[in-house]
Amino acid sequence: KAGVTQTPRYLIKTRGQQVTLSCSPISGHRSVSWYQQTPGQGLQFLFEYFSETQRNKGNFPGRFSGRQFSNSRSEMNVSTLELGDSALYLCASKGTGETKDYNEQFFGPGTRLTVL
Amino acid sequence: KNQVEQSPQSLIILEGKNCTLQCNYTVSPFSNLRWYKQDTGRGPVSLTIMTFSENTKSNGRYTATLDADTKQSSLHITASQLSDSASYICVVSAQNQGGKLIFGQGTELSVKP
Repeated sequence: KAGVTQTPRYLIKTRGQQVTLSCSPISGHRSVSWYQQTPGQGLQFLFEYFSETQRNKGNFPGRFSGRQFSNSRSEMNVSTLELGDSALYLCASKGTGETKDYNEQFFGPGTRLTVL
Repeated sequence: KNQVEQSPQSLIILEGKNCTLQCNYTVSPFSNLRWYKQDTGRGPVSLTIMTFSENTKSNGRYTATLDADTKQSSLHITASQLSDSASYICVVSAQNQGGKLIFGQGTELSVKP
C-alpha cells in the first residue's frame, strides 16, 4: 500500500508570510503526527491528531497549528513565519488496534521549508 | 525529565567495517524503544522496535540490543556498506503518555570507500 505522502516537498517563503503543509497518511491509519527537524534541535514533536481531534501537543508557539479531516488527511499551518522556522517538517502516521502495524509510526518524506 | 542521549554524535568508518551506536535514556515508565535510519533529505525509516521484554532484535545487518535495567540500547551494524551512510535516531516511548515519542539527537554515520 502507498506510504505517507507530503506536499509540497520544497517551499520557499519570506518572513511574515504564512504556510500550509499537507500530509496524507497510510490508508487505514487515523493517527497523524507532525515534527519539526532542524540540525541543531533534532526532531521535535509538534502535535498529533487522531480522528480529527488534537490528542497531543508539543511546546511550540500558537503560530503553529494543525487540523485533520474526516479522511485522516492532515494539514499544518504556520503563520507569521520567522527565519527560525526554516526546517524539515515531517509527518508520520500510525496504525490503530485494527491494523496489523499497530503502534508502528511511518514517516513521510518531509517538506523542506526555507524562510528568507 | 524524559531524555534520550545518543553517542557518538558522528562517526566515520570504512566500508566493510562494523560499528556500534549507543543510546541511553531516562524515560519512565518505559514502553518501547525504536531505532530509525534517516537518509539525507528523507523521512526516518524504522529499523527495529523493542519492548521491555526483548533484549535483542535483528533486521538484516542491523542488530539492536536493549538493557532495560541500565536503560541502554545499542545498534550494531555489520559489514557496513556505503548505503549505510545516514543519521540513526533512537526513539523511546513512555507508557501512559498517549504514545508520545522522545527522540535522541541522532548519530551521523558516514561510510567511506
